Amino acid sequence: GAGVSQSPSNKVTEKGKDVELRCDPISGHTALYWYRQRLGQGLEFLIYFQGNSAPDKSGLPSDRFSAERTGESVSTLTIQRTQQEDSAVYLCASSLVRHNIDRLQETQYFGPGTRLLVL
Amino acid sequence: AQSVTQLGSHVSVSEGALVLLRCNYSSSVPPYLFWYVQYPNQGLQLLLKYTTGATLVKGINGFEAEFKKSETSFHLTKPSAHMSDAAEYFCAGRGYLDFGNEKLTFGTGTRLTIIP
Repeated sequence: GAGVSQSPSNKVTEKGKDVELRCDPISGHTALYWYRQRLGQGLEFLIYFQGNSAPDKSGLPSDRFSAERTGESVSTLTIQRTQQEDSAVYLCASSLVRHNIDRLQETQYFGPGTRLLVL
Repeated sequence: AQSVTQLGSHVSVSEGALVLLRCNYSSSVPPYLFWYVQYPNQGLQLLLKYTTGATLVKGINGFEAEFKKSETSFHLTKPSAHMSDAAEYFCAGRGYLDFGNEKLTFGTGTRLTIIP
């Protein structure tokens, strides 16, 4: 596909259950980001992958949250023992970071998000 | 903490009227700045971005924004609103030192409503 895709688009789960969210970045994009958007709030950064470098996990809100990425492809965000405050839209973005180009200028392309509701 | 602030969580304008969505940044070093739009049930789409060079940036759908260092602002404007502009708009910043490098720091968003 041409854009970033995420699955599932919607997920309803019970408190205490684990959930796994998937992101397929744009082919060839080396950088991948996860953000969270809670109702009425802006987007919060969660985690960032860039090539083979160690991921930047500084935004993960607790040790219940983890993410993996295989090479420069699919990423999964896992939330263990979900809580009601985890209810949010989880957005994934990817960008192409090229050598000798200021990476801060690179545009992030966002997926449609996964809407998570924890009952 | 350095931040991006959007004034007004909801803005309503009449069709054909000027759209003005406000964004201010807090940074000792001017960041790179972005405006994203989010239509219902869709992901964020880049409208425009300021990196270096010309301070007046033109984007898609007739939107533009002007970077004003003296005012630490990056307000988004469109001369004539269209019904299809109804959406949520996010201002975001990214820069050395103050904004955590590669990750974007977002404002809380402004929901734009167009009145027929």
